[in-house]
Amino acid sequence: AQKITQTQPGMFVQEKEAVTLDCTYDTSDPSYGLFWYKQPSSGEMIFLIYQGSYDQQNATEGRYSLNFQKARKSANLVISASQLGDSAMYFCAMSPNMGSARQLTFGSGTQLTVLP
Amino acid sequence: NAGVTQTPKFQVLKTGQSMTLQCAQDMNHNSMYWYRQDPGMGLRLIYYSASEGTTDKGEVPNGYNVSRLNKREFSLRLESAAPSQTSVYFCASGNPGRTLNTEAFFGQGTRLTVV
Repeated sequence: AQKITQTQPGMFVQEKEAVTLDCTYDTSDPSYGLFWYKQPSSGEMIFLIYQGSYDQQNATEGRYSLNFQKARKSANLVISASQLGDSAMYFCAMSPNMGSARQLTFGSGTQLTVLP
Repeated sequence: NAGVTQTPKFQVLKTGQSMTLQCAQDMNHNSMYWYRQDPGMGLRLIYYSASEGTTDKGEVPNGYNVSRLNKREFSLRLESAAPSQTSVYFCASGNPGRTLNTEAFFGQGTRLTVV
């Protein structure tokens, strides 16, 4: 079984500053993927970034980077130069990388508010 | 690009009524999923279909049935709705096996209220 823990129910950040959203995970799968999704108040789920368990480099996508520490089982999301539009709920998720499906297990989310 | 389309977007049911949530994807994905999202919680997997003709239970399957009608469509049925099934339902699709970096694409969600 896989488990995702997000311990920050809410976070505040000043516009243009960087913020780190925490995510720890637990799994017995030898190969897995870690994902971050953004859910704005409108409700849709927007994919942000992916990290494979065997990837040597931390993933980056524009202002998003994933700080992957395999030994600590953590996959924190770093958002640089925060913008007002980054205010949203952020979910960390993981899936096995073996088998015929990639069903996701989600954390409970972190509500990020960017202050002007 | 339509992506993943869910219908309806909103629905109010009385306890004991039945309904089917429809989902269709136009990305030629093999796998499809149904999740529910309750306030203050992340999404939880109800059922999934790894490929056309197969379905499997997820974390919270009780009270639901699914049908993978064809490669494009994956429906979720509530046979006898209960207030505990009040939630936002998301359908998603993906194409695992083609590449490891296979994010799931989500529909807009269906907000269901059971009174």
